[in-house]
Amino acid sequence: KQEVTQIPAALSVPEGENLVLNCSFTDSAIYNLQWFRQDPGKGLTSLLLIQSSQREQTSGRLNASLDKSSGRSTLYIAASQPGDSATYLCAVDSWGKFQFGAGTQVVVTP
Amino acid sequence: GAVVSQHPSWVICKSGTSVKIECRSLDFQATTMFWYRQFPKQSLMLMATSNEGSKATYEQGVEKDKFLINHASLTLSTLTVTSAHPEDSSFYICSVQYSGAFTEAFFGQGTRLTVV
Repeated sequence: KQEVTQIPAALSVPEGENLVLNCSFTDSAIYNLQWFRQDPGKGLTSLLLIQSSQREQTSGRLNASLDKSSGRSTLYIAASQPGDSATYLCAVDSWGKFQFGAGTQVVVTP
Repeated sequence: GAVVSQHPSWVICKSGTSVKIECRSLDFQATTMFWYRQFPKQSLMLMATSNEGSKATYEQGVEKDKFLINHASLTLSTLTVTSAHPEDSSFYICSVQYSGAFTEAFFGQGTRLTVV
């Protein structure tokens, strides 16, 4: 059974610092890995999707890497802003089902 | 990406009553939709897979008679929480998966259910 772990569970940084969020999974037989943002009481917004054949994806200040063999993905957010405060979830697509991590709650202080 | 609309965004109901939550895929036809539940400070847990025109597939431990799923059209799936109890209070989110060269998941805005 696929298990997804996100470390740290919470993170607080001053504005301008770079954020590094980690996601690990136990079964490397995945199709894709997707990073989401969730604001309090809201649904999920898709940030980046990395196909299993890819090593990384970039969108603006966001960069996500994927190392399937070691079961890890990292989300980098450059030059953090208070608007980046949210919970970030990674989800692994294994056999057509998405398995989620518990998320990293990020607070960026002005 | 796909646009998924969920309604209502929040609902309060009395214990013992039933509540229906709608999930609509606005810009593409979804033969399959997914229902998740999220408790505070926890991750999303897949409850069931909703299949258009056929029975839903429930994950282990999810009571199919309590969480009724209907997927009558390619754009609408409904989740009905029957005889709701306070422990059913949670955040329910639906999802569609767009499958082209790869599968990408898109989510509704979620429904906050509070049973009093």
